[in-house]
Amino acid sequence: SQTIHQWPATLVQPVGSPLSLECTVEGTSNPNLYWYRQAAGRGLQLLFYSVGIGQISSEVPQNLSASRPQDRQFILSSKKLLLSDSGFYLCAWSQGGGYTFGSGTRLTVV
Amino acid sequence: TQLLEQSPQFLSIQEGENLTVYCNSSSVFSSLQWYRQEPGEGPVLLVTVVTGGEVKKLKRLTFQFGDARKDSSLHITAAQPGDTGLYLCAGEEPGAQKLVFGQGTRLTINP
Repeated sequence: SQTIHQWPATLVQPVGSPLSLECTVEGTSNPNLYWYRQAAGRGLQLLFYSVGIGQISSEVPQNLSASRPQDRQFILSSKKLLLSDSGFYLCAWSQGGGYTFGSGTRLTVV
Repeated sequence: TQLLEQSPQFLSIQEGENLTVYCNSSSVFSSLQWYRQEPGEGPVLLVTVVTGGEVKKLKRLTFQFGDARKDSSLHITAAQPGDTGLYLCAGEEPGAQKLVFGQGTRLTINP
């Protein structure tokens, strides 16, 4: 069966520090991969999505970047975090139809 | 990017009551999905509707896709405390492999 792993679960980082969040999928090949950010108790904002290795589509201009070095690995990065980068980050995969989400990373920038 | 407006944003009712959550847009979607999310966790897919006018039932939950594929509703009958959570609708843009989410409806069912 397919599973999605996202880590870490929580992260507290100082302003100006770098960021790397990793997401991996098991049990499927060539999935579409997504990074969303969610404000407290609200809807999800699409940040990046990828339909294949090395293919990244950016939805919102921001302080973040994404990479897909392997078929089932999706990484969200920042060189210098801002306070406004705080939020709940969710990775998801799909092969058409519904999305399967990871358990999320709660990022607090202090 | 297409927008989805969800209403109400917050809803608190007593156990046993019925409720409806709405998801509206001025744009057409290829499909409409509903998710439920618990605090600190990722959303979990409840249903996907694809055809205009389609109705799907999941126990006490009834989902409907509008005839023009621009809107959807979620109806819960005899709500129970276990139904408490954040309900999110999401639309798939035609020709695009991505979902746009509504703002969510925070539902609280009081015993």
